[in-house]
Amino acid sequence: GEDVEQSLFLSVREGDSSVINCTYTDSSSTYLYWYKQEPGAGLQLLTYIFSNMDMKQDQRLTVLLNKKDKHLSLRIADTQTGDSAIYFCAESKSRGYQKVTFGTGTKLQVIP
Amino acid sequence: GAVVSQHPSRVICKSGTSVKIECRSLDFQATTMFWYRQFPKQSLMLMATSNEGSKATYEQGVEKDKFLINHASLTLSTLTVTSAHPEDSSFYICSASYVTGTEGQFFGPGTRLTVL
Repeated sequence: GEDVEQSLFLSVREGDSSVINCTYTDSSSTYLYWYKQEPGAGLQLLTYIFSNMDMKQDQRLTVLLNKKDKHLSLRIADTQTGDSAIYFCAESKSRGYQKVTFGTGTKLQVIP
Repeated sequence: GAVVSQHPSRVICKSGTSVKIECRSLDFQATTMFWYRQFPKQSLMLMATSNEGSKATYEQGVEKDKFLINHASLTLSTLTVTSAHPEDSSFYICSASYVTGTEGQFFGPGTRLTVL
């Protein structure tokens, strides 16, 4: 079955870059997502990448995909205190209306 | 665009009562809606997938008679927790997606259920 793993916690200083890592086991994963969850709230889609891409950049966010190693990362440049949240990576085998498997979540703490 | 709402945002009920949670897609037609459960400091656990006009597909281990899902229209799905018990206390999150959407699922803000 699908398995998506993340480190549980990351602490960075404001202004530094944050890198959140994710590994997945299912080689047939086609769509890979990053979601942000603030306390007591639902999930906000940050960005997504197709499995035939290596990199995607969107303003402060850079997603890197190593399909061979089944490794996905999210880099947040110039991290701000408002970036403090839990970040989930997720994968699906087809478009968004199919089942999505979420990672365990990484809590990002930004120190002023 | 792609806004999903949930109601109520928080509910406290007595053990043995039933609770209904609504999930609405406000500005798009959701062909598929998903219901998740999230325990404190844990990831989201998919409970069921529902398509408009058809029966929901439940994940293994989720009791369909306890968690009733109705997807009556392209903009509304409801989750009813029947005969709730304290162990049903959790954060319930719905999401919605549409056939042509490649951006994944759009999530509601969640409903905090506390069963006393």
